[in-house]
Amino acid sequence: KAGVTQTPRYLIKTRGQQVTLSCSPISGHRSVSWYQQTPGQGLQFLFEYFSETQRNKGNFPGRFSGRQFSNSRSEMNVSTLELGDSALYLCASSAGQPQETQYFGPGTRLLVL
Amino acid sequence: EDQVTQSPEALRLQEGESSSLNCSYTVSGLRGLFWYRQDPGKGPEFLFTLYSAGEEKEKERLKATLTKKESFLHITAPKPEDSATYLCAVGGAQKLVFGQGTRLTINP
Repeated sequence: KAGVTQTPRYLIKTRGQQVTLSCSPISGHRSVSWYQQTPGQGLQFLFEYFSETQRNKGNFPGRFSGRQFSNSRSEMNVSTLELGDSALYLCASSAGQPQETQYFGPGTRLLVL
Repeated sequence: EDQVTQSPEALRLQEGESSSLNCSYTVSGLRGLFWYRQDPGKGPEFLFTLYSAGEEKEKERLKATLTKKESFLHITAPKPEDSATYLCAVGGAQKLVFGQGTRLTINP
């Protein structure tokens, strides 16, 4: 079974721009969660999508948004980029129940200049 | 608020020197405790899921245990390839909450 895939793997943007990241979950998984990882804050939850609906949301500003398509693929968008948005963005998929294991993709490394 | 604290922050061992990593947690309604391994620049790799106090799971040189307040990841006779950051996460009512991780280095 193929794992979680994320594209692109690396991105360089400048302040004020916007960016869209993509995540394809493991086949059959209906839940996709997004996390931001930085050296100072660790792994922080952004949001979770299940069956095309946002089910949970973390404490991030509205510049961070996402969506999920009918095939469970998900995209995350960050508008008006700030220097502090530089991070590793990780996507994780699971079958959907809260107690089920989440499997992570390789991440997208975003650098904002 | 759900919280996870991992200790130590960093641990350096000699090859073959066994030790344990700690994960203390407070959560309202534990739905699972998860251990992951993360290599630099890569996504976390799943290791174990524990659901109830007293549960134990093993995989090669690793063994995870769970009590009502903490979990331990025991590493027996580690090898240099076990060097990584080990992350602990608890599943609460709505989301996973991660600890800051323990950076483990195994010297040959």
